[in-house]
Amino acid sequence: KAGVTQTPRYLIKTRGQQVTLSCSPISGHRSVSWYQQTPGQGLQFLFEYFSETQRNKGNFPGRFSGRQFSNSRSEMNVSTLELGDSALYLCASSLGDGSYGYTFGSGTRLTVV
Amino acid sequence: GEDVEQSLFLSVREGDSSVINCTYTDSSSTYLYWYKQEPGAGLQLLTYIFSNMDMKQDQRLTVLLNKKDKHLSLRIADTQTGDSAIYFCAFDSNYQLIWGAGTKLIIKP
Repeated sequence: KAGVTQTPRYLIKTRGQQVTLSCSPISGHRSVSWYQQTPGQGLQFLFEYFSETQRNKGNFPGRFSGRQFSNSRSEMNVSTLELGDSALYLCASSLGDGSYGYTFGSGTRLTVV
Repeated sequence: GEDVEQSLFLSVREGDSSVINCTYTDSSSTYLYWYKQEPGAGLQLLTYIFSNMDMKQDQRLTVLLNKKDKHLSLRIADTQTGDSAIYFCAFDSNYQLIWGAGTKLIIKP
């Protein structure tokens, strides 16, 4: 059974640019959630999607957005990148029905220069 | 708001038991989790406990939950060098995980 696939693994962007990150969940999982991990702020929740609907959103500016497709794959977009957006972005896959277990991908390391 | 606290570092000798502690404020979670993160890697689910349980054992891992004190702990028996990592406790709330800051486990030879 394939795990959670995040692409790309590494990304370097310039301030002001935008970026799109992709996450393919485990087959059969309908929920995808996104987290930002930085040394200063730790792990922070960005948003969660279930069957193409956003069910919850964290406290991030509107520059951070996401979507989920009918095959459960999800993308997140960050526009007008700032230096502070440099982080490891992790996506988690789950059944989304209240049962236990979130499986994480290896993450995308974004560096903004 | 919800909060989860963990100490930042724990140093133990190889072969000893490690006990990582976590306190939380939200008592409405269904599941409480322990994740492990090795350098440069994502988060690996180690174990979890259902909120109506007090203890769960899984090979070298023992999870204890004290709901009255809102305290969660992870005991790793016979700690090995491969256990060196950062350990995060987390609980679920409204389709998200609320995280502690992580405890870095350092193994002394």
